[in-house]
This record gives sequence, structure tokens and C-alpha cells, in this order.
Amino acid sequence: GENVEQHPSTLSVQEGDSAVIKCTYSDSASNYFPWYKQELGKGPQLIIDIRSNVGEKKDQRIAVTLNKTAKHFSLHITETQPEDSAVYFCAGRGGGSQGNLIFGKGTKLSVKP
Amino acid sequence: DSGVTQTPKHLITATGQRVTLRCSPRSGDLSVYWYQQSLDQGLQFLIQYYNGEERAKGNILERFSAQQFPDLHSELNLSSLELGDSALYFCASSAWDRMYQETQYFGPGTRLLVL
Repeated sequence: GENVEQHPSTLSVQEGDSAVIKCTYSDSASNYFPWYKQELGKGPQLIIDIRSNVGEKKDQRIAVTLNKTAKHFSLHITETQPEDSAVYFCAGRGGGSQGNLIFGKGTKLSVKP
Repeated sequence: DSGVTQTPKHLITATGQRVTLRCSPRSGDLSVYWYQQSLDQGLQFLIQYYNGEERAKGNILERFSAQQFPDLHSELNLSSLELGDSALYFCASSAWDRMYQETQYFGPGTRLLVL
């Protein structure tokens, strides 16, 4: 089955700097990779996702890149702000257009003002 | 706000007891997933229902069961509770886009503490 590894487990950046979180997956049939942001006391919130037919997707300050050959994908946050501080989870889903997600262990991002 | 609701928000109970967690999916979503989040195991898939039928099972213990009702809300039943069952329990409902690709939206979760 699918296995998703996420690095780093913690990340501290200065406000305005960029943050990058990386994930690798094991199942070459996986075709959907969402990123969720979880703030304290709340449920995971979808912030961006990418499907295997594209290599990059951008939404304002957030971008995700996917390298299918190497089986890894990354989240890039530019011009970080204190409100970006949260735990970020990557996930993968096996072949098919639906099904449960396999999550990485999470990255705690701290943005220092 | 994802549109997925879960009750209760917090639950404190004793070992050996049984509890029921409730989830209402977003309007129009037919599929409900249950996940457990613990410090050591992270977010783990438990079970999925689609339009009232069980669709997939993950790492769900035999002491746990779920169902989805005709109005599409779902309940997760946890019995013979153990200390290790203390965790956050999330449900997610899913929608399909025009390309029949699925996206999952999570509820706020139920925090279960077993004493």
C-alpha cells in the first residue's frame, strides 16, 4: 500500500521568508496529492492539491510541485506571515479517482514576526 | 468552515465505556470518511461510507463500528474503550468535480479522552 513520508517535522522561518515542505510517496499508481493545514483545535483544511497529470500548481503565495519520476512532491509558501503558523500535512491517494488518503506525519511551521 | 459538522466537540469517558460520535457531511456529499488522529500514529483512515453503504475499511478495530443513515449523516461507535483510544476523531465528506475527481473536506473533529 501507499506510504507517505514528510520532512521536516518542524520548520521555523522569519516572516517574509519562504518555507518548503517535502513529501515522498511509495505507490507509483498514486495520482492525487493534497496539502492540508491544521491549526490548533481545528480540523485539517485543504489548502491546495495537485493531480498527477500536472507538474506544478500555484494559488497566490502557495505552490505545489510534483515529480512523478522521483515520487516526491513539495509545498512552497512564499512571503510567509505569522498566520501561516500551523501544522501542514501532505497526503497521497492510490490509483483511482477516489478513496482514502494516506497522510504524512506533519510539519509544524512557525513563522516568527 | 468546511461545511462538515461533528458532535460532540469534546468527550470524556472511562475505560470500558461506549461512545457515539456523529458527523453530518456537507450538503450534497454522499461519501463520509472517518479518520483517527493520535500523537504517535498521525492521521489514520478508519472507514468510508458512500450513500449508506460501507465502501472501504482501514485500520479500524473490531471494537469500533460505523454506519451512515438515509439522511447521510454518519455515526462512529467506539466500545470497550481503552486508554489508547484517546485521540481526535475526524470525519470528512467528499465531492466530485466535473472530471470525477474527488476532494475531501474535514470536519472540526471530536476530541475523545478515555480516563
